Order: sequence, then structure tokens, then C-alpha cells
Amino acid sequence: EVQLVQSGAEVKKPGESLKISCKGSGYSFTSYWIGWVRQMPGKGLEWMGIIYPGDSDTRYSPSFQGQVTISADKSISTAYLQWSSLKASDTAMYYCASGVGYWGQGTLVTVSS
Amino acid sequence: DIVMTQSPDSLAVSLGERATINCKSSQSVLYSSNNKNYLAWYQQKPGQPPKLLIYWASTRESGVPDRFSGSGSGTDFTLTISSLQAEDVAVYYCQQYYSTSMYTFGQGTKLEIK
Repeated sequence: EVQLVQSGAEVKKPGESLKISCKGSGYSFTSYWIGWVRQMPGKGLEWMGIIYPGDSDTRYSPSFQGQVTISADKSISTAYLQWSSLKASDTAMYYCASGVGYWGQGTLVTVSS
Repeated sequence: DIVMTQSPDSLAVSLGERATINCKSSQSVLYSSNNKNYLAWYQQKPGQPPKLLIYWASTRESGVPDRFSGSGSGTDFTLTISSLQAEDVAVYYCQQYYSTSMYTFGQGTKLEIK
């Protein structure tokens, strides 16, 4: 069974750094892309970017280029989304997705002073 | 980037009636070499991740009730719920996976009971 398990909820202060994770199991991790999706409170789904774990090729949506970093460690079948300096506007639910139809449970990130 | 536009933004339908949601892409998502439309439909209920309903524009995901159907090609697509049930109240999204690495979503359509 394909599973994507994300790390737990985070509460951070503005300016802090953060790295959240998404661990894949039940399939060949290097064979399928992993994308990250943002959902701000009460809003729709926004595509942030994608990584191909086999070669770590990474692409970002223009809206998120330079704002976040996507990476992966294929040795432990895990993808990451990280921020170097969080803003209050980064408060959202973040989902990882692999292929068409496989989603993690989401990681809620709250940034507040 | 391919822009996906759904209509309407919200919809209220009586139980047992038909619900229709439209999705339009700013460019074709039909790949000519395999004649497949790279378009998916998702259902999202509060507090849950999106759930895949339809892929390749019209192929129902395993386990999805047959009252859900997808149609369309090129730039214009439709999700139809033939007989609305109470459990279908949710927000519905279309997503294109044609554009390399940029798999954009529509803005969502909120479906409620009238």
C-alpha cells in the first residue's frame, strides 16, 4: 500500500527556520515525483514545486521560487520542504503528493509571534 | 503556466439532483501522442487531504461511486455527480498534470445541499 507520512504540526516564530518531511513507503520512492502543495486557512490548493527523487531534479512554481527549498534523501525515502526565515504568511497546511492521487496527511505550520 | 479556472465558485443542489462543475484550462492538456487528457478531479472535505476521484479526465478511481463521472477534452472539462448524496458535500478541485513539473489546480468549487 502506498503511503506518504508527513511530520507533525509545527508552531514557530517569525524569522525562525523549519524543515518538514514526507516519508514514502509501499512503492519505489525514486520512480515517482513528489510535489508540495500549500493550503492557506480557508483557501484553495496551490502547487509549490516538485522533486524527482531519483536525480533530485527540483522545479519551483514562480510564486515559491526563492521562498522555500525542496529536497529529498532517497536513502530513507523522504522528501523535505524547508524555510530559512518564516513569515506569518507562511501559516498554512502543507501537503506532499506523489504521482496522481497519493497524498500525505498534511503538516500544519503556524507562524506567530 | 497553465491556468485552471473552475465554475461556479459555489453550488447548492438538492439531494438526489445532478451537480455539474466545470473546469477550463488556459491551454490544451490533451497529449496528442497518447490521446490522453492530463486532468484530474479531487474532492476535499474539512480536515482531510484531497481525495482523487477522476484521472485522465474520465477514468474513475477505484472505489469511487459511479455517480461521479468526468468528461471533456482539450481545454474544457466537467465533473458530474448524477444524484447528490449528503456525503458529497465538499470542495472539488480540478488539476492538470500536463505541464512539466507545474501541476496547477483550479480555485475550487464548494458544493452544498440546497
